[in-house]
Amino acid sequence: GAVVSQHPSRVICKSGTSVKIECRSLDFQATTMFWYRQFPKQSLMLMATSNEGSKATYEQGVEKDKFLINHASLTLSTLTVTSAHPEDSSFYICSARDPTGQETQYFGPGTRLLVL
Amino acid sequence: GESVGLHLPTLSVQEGDNSIINCAYSNSASDYFIWYKQESGKGPQFIIDIRSNMDKRQGQRVTVLLNKTVKHLSLQIAATQPGDSAVYFCAENIANSGYSTLTFGKGTMLLVSP
Repeated sequence: GAVVSQHPSRVICKSGTSVKIECRSLDFQATTMFWYRQFPKQSLMLMATSNEGSKATYEQGVEKDKFLINHASLTLSTLTVTSAHPEDSSFYICSARDPTGQETQYFGPGTRLLVL
Repeated sequence: GESVGLHLPTLSVQEGDNSIINCAYSNSASDYFIWYKQESGKGPQFIIDIRSNMDKRQGQRVTVLLNKTVKHLSLQIAATQPGDSAVYFCAENIANSGYSTLTFGKGTMLLVSP
């Protein structure tokens, strides 16, 4: 399957700072990427759909000004958590749709964010 | 008290047994389903998928069964191994106007003892 990477894998920051997480599709182009959030022992919750060259589509209840998404190229989407607070601490996972056009999504390894 | 959301259903099996993990999905319009395996601290890993025009699909040691009548999906793992221990999620593809997204089930933790 297609390989997706994320960076960083783990980040600790102070409350009030902003954190950027990168999601890259390796060896394939991804016009659509997705950002999920996962709390301990819970399922993945879709935050937004990232579209290359256009605005992201946010799920209900997700603040677009808080979670900034930029999909500037066909292999890179970034999620910036602005003015992070302890309640933003979570596991953030991105995915990219199968390059052949199927609905399958391939996931990155995730980024563990801890806000102190 | 503890939140219900913190308790994942758990299936405990012995190495070599067959495992069956079940999932109920919500949307009768879903046309595509995927099973993912997630190990602790990692992203979900694709296992197997099935389209709504099928009721069974087999992979290596895994079989997915789809019952659209009762909106039920199952994952069967043959000869379960300790390395199969993980959380398993089903996901349904829901087509919205112009795009589609995956909705994940709550997950089942599979524990395999040697």
